[in-house]
Amino acid sequence: GAVVSQHPSRVICKSGTSVKIECRSLDFQATTMFWYRQFPKKSLMLMATSNEGSKATYEQGVEKDKFLINHASLTLSTLTVTSAHPEDSSFYICSARDAGGRYYEQYFGPGTRLTVT
Amino acid sequence: AQTVTQSQPEMSVQEAETVTLSCTYDTSESDYYLFWYKQPPSRQMILVIRQEAYKQQNATENRFSVNFQKAAKSFSLKISDSQLGDAAMYFCAYRSPSFGNEKLTFGTGTRLTIIP
Repeated sequence: GAVVSQHPSRVICKSGTSVKIECRSLDFQATTMFWYRQFPKKSLMLMATSNEGSKATYEQGVEKDKFLINHASLTLSTLTVTSAHPEDSSFYICSARDAGGRYYEQYFGPGTRLTVT
Repeated sequence: AQTVTQSQPEMSVQEAETVTLSCTYDTSESDYYLFWYKQPPSRQMILVIRQEAYKQQNATENRFSVNFQKAAKSFSLKISDSQLGDAAMYFCAYRSPSFGNEKLTFGTGTRLTIIP
């Protein structure tokens, strides 16, 4: 089956620093990737849609200057949390859409737990 | 905008018994996809089952089946012969069929506990 990886799985950073999270589709090409945020015991909230070779589309209320998304290739999208603050601590999940699949299925990465101290 | 509602924050079931998780949604679209995802303690999202709205037949995947009532905008998940490994958060999700608009809208989730 299709596999999506995320790196790192856990990261702790100091307030004011930036942190980059990578999302890779390992065995398929993903023209579109999605970034979600999940608070403890809550549902997934879509932050942005990342399209290869073009600017990401952000959901209402998501600061595009704070959450920088780069989808530079058909297998890699990155999310950079800039000038991180404790309120950015959360679980971040990416998914990748299989452009070759019948249902344009989304496959999820294992998530990245970000802790800002 | 589409909305997805899961009215059961928590459910529990005895091992080997059957449990049904509820989901309702609101949309003005006539064609769409509905999904149930499972999120175990590892936090990895796993697709359980998919239903295409234009299909009247309810989807089934082994012990998992759905009751899709399009007019009522209801999409429940039935888990038969519950197993300890079924313990997880279950999310109902909606997706438009349109190419370029495949974002998922999730419900708030139902935490399922399996009682040995």
